[in-house]
Amino acid sequence: DAGVTQSPTHLIKTRGQHVTLRCSPISGHKSVSWYQQVLGQGPQFIFQYYEKEERGRGNFPDRFSARQFPNYSSELNVNALLLGDSALYLCASSPRGAGNTEAFFGQGTRLTVV
Amino acid sequence: DAKTTQPNSMESNEEEPVHLPCNHSTISGTDYIHWYRQLPSQGPEYVIHGLTSNVNNRMASLAIAEDRKSSTLILHRATLRDAAVYYCILKLGSQGNLIFGKGTKLSVKP
Repeated sequence: DAGVTQSPTHLIKTRGQHVTLRCSPISGHKSVSWYQQVLGQGPQFIFQYYEKEERGRGNFPDRFSARQFPNYSSELNVNALLLGDSALYLCASSPRGAGNTEAFFGQGTRLTVV
Repeated sequence: DAKTTQPNSMESNEEEPVHLPCNHSTISGTDYIHWYRQLPSQGPEYVIHGLTSNVNNRMASLAIAEDRKSSTLILHRATLRDAAVYYCILKLGSQGNLIFGKGTKLSVKP
């Protein structure tokens, strides 16, 4: 069975540009969450979507936005990129949006802003 | 969000048991205790979770204190492939997001 897939795996962008990251959850999973992991730190929660509705938002500026599509895949968009946005962006899917379920993570997208 | 406290690092010998502690003195009644681990260059991987009772699965055991203010992840026989950062996380029952701390970096010596 396919796990959580993210694309692209790596990309390099210039300051001020916009980026779109994509995530396909495990088949049957309706919840998708996004995390940012800066080198040396634990992942930081950005967004959670469940059944195409935003269920949670972390402490990130409005430059970060996301959406979930009818097939439960998701996009994370970041506008006006800053050098500090360089990080590993992780997507996780779960069958439900509740706290008693496990999350399955993808391998991440490594974003470098120059 | 309820906080967890873990040692920054631990060492173990291969094929010996490992006990990874976690303190969560501000845990509420609806918080689940989750453990994830992250191997180098990979996304986090679910290990185990529990609410009140001890839990066992094929990867590990989770021992939860009676007052729920601490828990211990037990790897019964450490292998070199268990070397990773282990995160102890409190997850509100009604929510799906994980709040990661810095975790414990486990080194396994052959």
